[in-house]
Amino acid sequence: RKEVEQDPGPFNVPEGATVAFNCTYSNSASQSFFWYRQDCRKEPKLLMSVYSSGNEDGRFTAQLNRASQYISLLIRDSKLSDSATYLCVVRKAAGNKLTFGGGTRVLVKP
Amino acid sequence: GAGVSQTPSNKVTEKGKYVELRCDPISGHTALYWYRQSLGQGPEFLIYFQGTGAADDSGLPNDRFFAVRPEGSVSTLKIQRTERGDSAVYLCASSQGTSNYGYTFGSGTRLTVV
Repeated sequence: RKEVEQDPGPFNVPEGATVAFNCTYSNSASQSFFWYRQDCRKEPKLLMSVYSSGNEDGRFTAQLNRASQYISLLIRDSKLSDSATYLCVVRKAAGNKLTFGGGTRVLVKP
Repeated sequence: GAGVSQTPSNKVTEKGKYVELRCDPISGHTALYWYRQSLGQGPEFLIYFQGTGAADDSGLPNDRFFAVRPEGSVSTLKIQRTERGDSAVYLCASSQGTSNYGYTFGSGTRLTVV
């Protein structure tokens, strides 16, 4: 079983709609959680950290459920430019390696 | 420099040859990470340096892979006797030591073994 699992998608989303997807992690010792965004043939870029109480950054909302060991990302009012692969990332301790999921592909269509 | 720099951006090599991939991290970042990403997959951890020493090399797939960071800045990933299965994008990232934030990736080296 992979340490971080994601639905690969693609999630086909009409422009302006809301999309949400989860990822699950198997290591209960994980302490830090992130969402990265990766465009085709580009490097991953940090989208947002995920905090225990949940957090928002503009149209993006991230949630963490430690009991069930999953993280979610919700995108409101989807834009064409939101089309990308979203990578779920966990880390056991500060300074340690990040462990990536396989990514969820999102396609926003007009 | 302003960001993480990786060279070359593309490398095509013949099976069995030796290759070196270079990473120049963000100035002042003490932690440096190497990842490998195959098509349709997430980045897979290879090795992590804290300063000059390898703090965790558990992701190196076999002894054909080796990485160094002799002066605590630039790092070189070395692959001996390349195989077609080594074809992937090799990503380097850096961060400020034990920062609890995510880290910044370079644009990667696309390695193709023919």
